[in-house]
Formats: sequence, C-alpha cells, structure tokens
Amino acid sequence: GAGVSQSPSNKVTEKGKDVELRCDPISGHTALYWYRQSLGQGLEFLIYFQGNSAPDKSGLPSDRFSAERTGGSVSTLTIQRTQQEDSAVYLCASSLSPGRSKSYTFGSGTRLTVV
Amino acid sequence: AQKVTQAQTEISVVEKEDVTLDCVYETRDTTYYLFWYKQPPSGELVFLIRRNSFDEQNEISGRYSWNFQKSTSSFNFTITASQVVDSAVYFCALRGTASKLTFGTGTRLQVTL
Repeated sequence: GAGVSQSPSNKVTEKGKDVELRCDPISGHTALYWYRQSLGQGLEFLIYFQGNSAPDKSGLPSDRFSAERTGGSVSTLTIQRTQQEDSAVYLCASSLSPGRSKSYTFGSGTRLTVV
Repeated sequence: AQKVTQAQTEISVVEKEDVTLDCVYETRDTTYYLFWYKQPPSGELVFLIRRNSFDEQNEISGRYSWNFQKSTSSFNFTITASQVVDSAVYFCALRGTASKLTFGTGTRLQVTL
C-alpha cells in the first residue's frame, strides 16, 4: 500500500482481555517496528522485525506482550490479560532494510484503552 | 545506551516569530543518525530530516533549518517565521548501530495568531 496501515484505529477493551493489533507495512519494506506512546510521553520502542525474524525484542515490557510477522509483511502485536497501564497509542513503522533506508514511515497508530 | 533529551516540554510563540527546538543526544556509537519528526494533532508522525554523524553541515529547507554540532552532541531545529500550521509535537530521534530509533520525549509547539 501507499502507507503503513494499522488496525483497528481505536480499541476499547476490558481489563484482563487479550487484544491483537495489526500493522500492514509499505510493500517492499523489510524492516518493521512497534512503538508505544503513552499520554504525553515520547515513543517507547517495543520490537523490531527484519523479515519474519525479530532480532530485537528488548522493548517488550512483559511476557504478556508478543508479536509476530508473517510473509515478511503483516505484523500482529498481541497483548494478553490487558492491564490499565497498557492504555496507549501503539505505533507501527516500516522501512527498507536499515542500511538502505533514509527514513522510517509511521502508521496512524492504534489507540488502546483498557477499562 | 542511547539517550535523546528534549528539555523543552512546551513552547508557545506568536505567529511570525522564530523558534528553536533543542535536542541533545548521547551515544557511544561512532556512526549514528539523527532525525526530527513532526506529530500534528492528527497523530501521524511525519518525517522531517535525517542527518548522519559524519555530516555536520547545517541544512535549510524552506522555513526549517537544522544545526548539528557534534562537539556539544546537539541537533537543534529552528523554524523561521512560524505559522499556526507549525503547531505540533516535534520529536528528535537517534539511531546508532542498532536499527531502532530512540526518541526524545518531544516538544509541544503552540503557534498563535
């Protein structure tokens, strides 16, 4: 597609439920990143994919968070047993392989609210 | 570890004023890249510029200019003759040898008439 697409744009869930957030990167972008932006905060790195592998998962805050990427394209970020502190905007970005890329293109994000 | 500091949380200016957004970074990498992104109220991050650590030339793009100084580990961003449409949160970011971007906490710029 023309840009990075994320769905849903908004998600309200009850505490304790699982949620899945989806990211569809720009076609041909092999690198994909997930970030989290809490209210009034900067962007916190979660995980980086190169193709289908995740060489850097260092930002995942707990084992309730996981992500996968299939076919070198779409990625899903899953949060299990959601907590109120998980409420944030989850942003996805994609780029050509890091050595070839001038910039990272971000999606519009998924706003997650845990009630 | 890498760190980006944007000490200015919020700046308010009147239209047509010049404004400088500060960014100070820390990294042990000898090769790194610095970025600025704009986040308007719509929420989407818009890429503005990337600079690599070997190129200290200042850059100007229209009303925007960037001043990169390795000696002070700073990469400041100036908007000349600010406009209401410049109102947004601006993020400075750093990428070293790792592929991820490390962001500052952002500076909210409010431009009023």
